[in-house]
Amino acid sequence: IAGITQAPTSQILAAGRRMTLRCTQDMRHNAMYWYRQDLGLGLRLIHYSNTAGTTGKGEVPDGYSVSRANTDDFPLTLASAVPSQTSVYFCASRTGDTGELFFGEGSRLTVL
Amino acid sequence: GQNIDQPTEMTATEGAIVQINCTYQTSGFNGLFWYQQHAGEAPTFLSYNVLDGLEEKGRFSSFLSRSKGYSYLLLKELQMKDSASYLCAALDSNYQLIWGAGTKLIIKP
Repeated sequence: IAGITQAPTSQILAAGRRMTLRCTQDMRHNAMYWYRQDLGLGLRLIHYSNTAGTTGKGEVPDGYSVSRANTDDFPLTLASAVPSQTSVYFCASRTGDTGELFFGEGSRLTVL
Repeated sequence: GQNIDQPTEMTATEGAIVQINCTYQTSGFNGLFWYQQHAGEAPTFLSYNVLDGLEEKGRFSSFLSRSKGYSYLLLKELQMKDSASYLCAALDSNYQLIWGAGTKLIIKP
């Protein structure tokens, strides 16, 4: 089934540890996004990539990094996790500038 | 700055009609999206408006007024499964989405 796959779906992590959230899409969409969603704050953009080989910073990029080596994969890395990064993380992609976003199922991360 | 406002929570009765409002202020405008998000799940696309007027899709309709910076989502014949959060998002001049915090809709029997 075409779509976006995120892994892991849930993770508990000790503060200071490094963590990579994986995101893979098979729809050949150029643009991909990482959001975090916290209660009462809605979706906040962390990083984005308009096409393979390019990335950009969103609203809340500090503490996170991304790479886009190919069209399908867009991993998000927390170099040294902190408790404030406890959140639900959604990866998304879309086909064009005005296309709808397709979301992955989310990764629930708890940093202790 | 860029801003999206929508009510935090609304309550409605099964079988009734509910209107969820959204106002937006963005640097440029390239359309308005509505998404539905059930608790613990990912958001799913409901509608996209770029021209003024009403777009109807089954029980759901979405309205846009560009001059007023205003949109609403209308849900008819409410069902219990419509209990969810409804997210409004505007596309700015750089084609980036600006998201509202979402409206939690509670449906009562």
